[in-house]
Amino acid sequence: GAVVSQHPSRVICKSGTSVKIECRSLDFQATTMFWYRQFPKKSLMLMATSNEGSKATYEQGVEKDKFLINHASLTLSTLTVTSAHPEDSSFYICSATKNEQFFGPGTRLTVL
Amino acid sequence: GDSVTQMEGPVTLSEEAFLTINCTYTATGYPSLFWYVQYPGEGLQLLLKATKADDKGSNKGFEATYRKETTSFHLEKGSVQVSDSAVYFCALSDRNSGSARQLTFGSGTQLTVLP
Repeated sequence: GAVVSQHPSRVICKSGTSVKIECRSLDFQATTMFWYRQFPKKSLMLMATSNEGSKATYEQGVEKDKFLINHASLTLSTLTVTSAHPEDSSFYICSATKNEQFFGPGTRLTVL
Repeated sequence: GDSVTQMEGPVTLSEEAFLTINCTYTATGYPSLFWYVQYPGEGLQLLLKATKADDKGSNKGFEATYRKETTSFHLEKGSVQVSDSAVYFCALSDRNSGSARQLTFGSGTQLTVLP
């Protein structure tokens, strides 16, 4: 049990477009989900905390208008990268909590 | 703020060799400490954890002891296998966000075990 999925696993988009990444807890309900960003050979950087039914809490330095988070149900949180630029290219990982954090497999975003 | 520093990789070992991956931390409170493992193409999985000083976490032959005096949580395994090849992340949890505690990660250490 405690499986978290992410979709898509990879996405390539043009600069200026928006990209939506989904994070689902498949076999449990998660009141809290976290979104991380991972740069090559760097640690996971917490971007925001997503609580079901309320606004996400963003970490310092993360633009909330750039990275829109929606947590509409106990099994789904979405991260939308708006007006993406090449510097947004990264590996995005979500986690869902059920006593501990369970991680999704990540989404590789490449912005051309 | 909280931070985790772990041994830079990559680390390459022969099968049955002894493994140590160093991890030290700074935290304002009394954190819980974790090791996560990420196999190729998969998400992070919790390997082991320790919630207070002198606790030893263990799983699948891996061990780590919470050392408050040295602020360390080094990962060890006596005899590695090819299947242990993965990226290992040290992490701590010190802040609360509602019902869930946030994690601060180290940079990860790539381990490759050769047959």
